[in-house]
Amino acid sequence: KAGVTQTPRYLIKTRGQQVTLSCSPISGHRSVSWYQQTPGQGLQFLFEYFSETQRNKGNFPGRFSGRQFSNSRSEMNVSTLELGDSALYLCASSLGRGDSPLHFGNGTRLTVT
Amino acid sequence: SQQGEEDPQALSIQEGENATMNCSYKTSINNLQWYRQNSGRGLVHLILIRSNEREKHSGRLRVTLDTSKKSSSLLITASRAADTASYFCATDNFNKFYFGSGTKLNVKP
Repeated sequence: KAGVTQTPRYLIKTRGQQVTLSCSPISGHRSVSWYQQTPGQGLQFLFEYFSETQRNKGNFPGRFSGRQFSNSRSEMNVSTLELGDSALYLCASSLGRGDSPLHFGNGTRLTVT
Repeated sequence: SQQGEEDPQALSIQEGENATMNCSYKTSINNLQWYRQNSGRGLVHLILIRSNEREKHSGRLRVTLDTSKKSSSLLITASRAADTASYFCATDNFNKFYFGSGTKLNVKP
């Protein structure tokens, strides 16, 4: 079974621009969640989608948004980029039921200059 | 972090020794999970313990959970150089996952 795939692997953007990150989950997984990882703040939960609906949301500003398609693939968008948005963005998929472990992709490294 | 802390922040041991790391969390949970992350890569699920369980084993891993103290510990026995990684606990509260700050483990050959 193919694992979780995130594209692109690396991105360099300028302040004020917007960016879209993509995540393809493991086949059969209906839940996709997104995390931001930085040295200072650690791993922070952004949001979770299940069957195309946002089911949970973390404490991030509205500049961070996402969506999930009917094939469970998900995208995350960050608008009006700030220097502090530089981070490793991780996506994870799961069955979305209680006690379902998360399966992570290798992340997208975003650098904002 | 959004949920809790882990200690120690860093741990350096010799191959063959045991490694213990602790995790504290703040809210009620459905289950608690431990993950490993090798440098710059995604996290890998290690073990899950439900809120009504107190101890669980998987190979060289032993996890305990004390819901009254809102804490958990992960023990890796007979460590190997390949165990060098960062370890995170994650609490699951109805599919909302919060991760600890992580313990960086270095196993010297």
